[in-house]
Amino acid sequence: DQQVKQNSPSLSVQEGRISILNCDYTNSMFDYFLWYKKYPAEGPTFLISISSIKDKNEDGRFTVFLNKSAKHLSLHIVPSQPGDSAVYFCAASDSNYQLIWGAGTKLIIKP
Amino acid sequence: KAGVTQTPRYLIKTRGQQVTLSCSPISGHRSVSWYQQTPGQGLQFLFEYFSETQRNKGNFPGRFSGRQFSNSRSEMNVSTLELGDSALYLCASSSENTDTQYFGPGTRLTVL
Repeated sequence: DQQVKQNSPSLSVQEGRISILNCDYTNSMFDYFLWYKKYPAEGPTFLISISSIKDKNEDGRFTVFLNKSAKHLSLHIVPSQPGDSAVYFCAASDSNYQLIWGAGTKLIIKP
Repeated sequence: KAGVTQTPRYLIKTRGQQVTLSCSPISGHRSVSWYQQTPGQGLQFLFEYFSETQRNKGNFPGRFSGRQFSNSRSEMNVSTLELGDSALYLCASSSENTDTQYFGPGTRLTVL
């Protein structure tokens, strides 16, 4: 049973527009959520995180929104750039600090 | 600080063999986690070590094992390799009581 789901395997967005990546979770005990970005042949790189006590966290072009009642979080990238093309993983953790990962969404930024 | 390093970067083995992968965490990090990534799959958690003790374990068979040394370096061993074990194995380290993990480049294992 997947506790963290990224239902879109891929997403294609025009350069300069907004990219929205979605993630759903089932475990209400999760209290910390992270987004990672992964290029081919490299390890994932930490991007941005959010604690369950917040509903929004912003870092430059990246904003993560958390809707606890819907058990849903999203990552917004504005404006999208060619270098943003990568696989994005959503992860969640509980008090045991074990990360549960989604399957990833491949983001393609079209010029 | 140097990042997380993993050796070897690439490995080719045949079915039935065993393999050992190595991971050196960021200096000062005492937690090391191992993940398996296969095409089309997310990162599957294998296990986590903290201060030489296995703290968490994922749902992998006993053929997958690990250990951590006093200097926080960690090794992962897979015995009796199967074709389905072909994957990218990632190691991540983190400092105490934090969720943010820093990943190494991974070891690409191919089982023929």
